[in-house]
Amino acid sequence: EPEVTQTPSHQVTQMGQEVILRCVPISNHLYFYWYRQILGQKVEFLVSFYNNEISEKSEIFDDQFSVERPDGSNFTLKIRSTKLEDSAMYFCASTGEETQYFGPGTRLLVL
Amino acid sequence: AQTVTQSQPEMSVQEAETVTLSCTYDTSESDYYLFWYKQPPSRQMILVIRQEAYKQQNATENRFSVNFQKAAKSFSLKISDSQLGDAAMYFCAYKALRRPGNTPLVFGKGTRLSVIA
Repeated sequence: EPEVTQTPSHQVTQMGQEVILRCVPISNHLYFYWYRQILGQKVEFLVSFYNNEISEKSEIFDDQFSVERPDGSNFTLKIRSTKLEDSAMYFCASTGEETQYFGPGTRLLVL
Repeated sequence: AQTVTQSQPEMSVQEAETVTLSCTYDTSESDYYLFWYKQPPSRQMILVIRQEAYKQQNATENRFSVNFQKAAKSFSLKISDSQLGDAAMYFCAYKALRRPGNTPLVFGKGTRLSVIA
C-alpha cells in the first residue's frame, strides 16, 4: 500500500542553523501539507501546496519557513534560521481526495 | 474559524471492554468531513475512521465506530473489545469541504487512552 515517507526521522540542530525536512507524498496525490506538533500539544497546520504553489498557510508559517517541490517526487520544508521554539514533530501529509495520509514525522530538536 | 474540542484529556478502559471518546466541533459550513486519528507512542498519525457530513449513516471500521450527531455538532468514537494495542493518543479532526481546492485539517487537543490488562 502506498505511503508517505519522510526523512530524516530525527534531526538535531543548533539555533540559527537552516534545516530542510523532506517528504515523498503518495505518487498520485495532488495536495501536500506540512503540520507541526510541539511535544504534548495538538497538531497544527503550517502550509498546504498544490500545483507548485502555496495554496494556504497559517500564522505560524512566517518568513522563516518555505516549501518547495524540487522534482516530481519530493516535497520539502525549509526553516532558514531555527529557533528553540521550532523544536517539534513535523508531519507531511498528502491527499488525492479528502482523506489526508500522514508520514511518520521528523522529530526536530533545536539546541 | 472552525474549532474542535475534545473534553477528555485522558481515558482508560479495561481490555475487552468498550470505551467512547468525545469530540465536538464548531462550524458554519454544511459540508465537511470528520476524522479520528490515532497516535501511538511512535507518534505516527494513523487514520482510524472518517465520516462525511452529508451521510446520515455512522461510519464503522471493524471495532471502531462513530456516533455522528450533525445538529449537535458531536462526533464520538466508540472502541469495542478494546485491545492493548489501542492505547494511544486519539485526535479528532475537522476538514471543510471546498470545491475546487482542498483544506487543511483542524485538530482537537487529543485524548490519551490507556488500556488496562
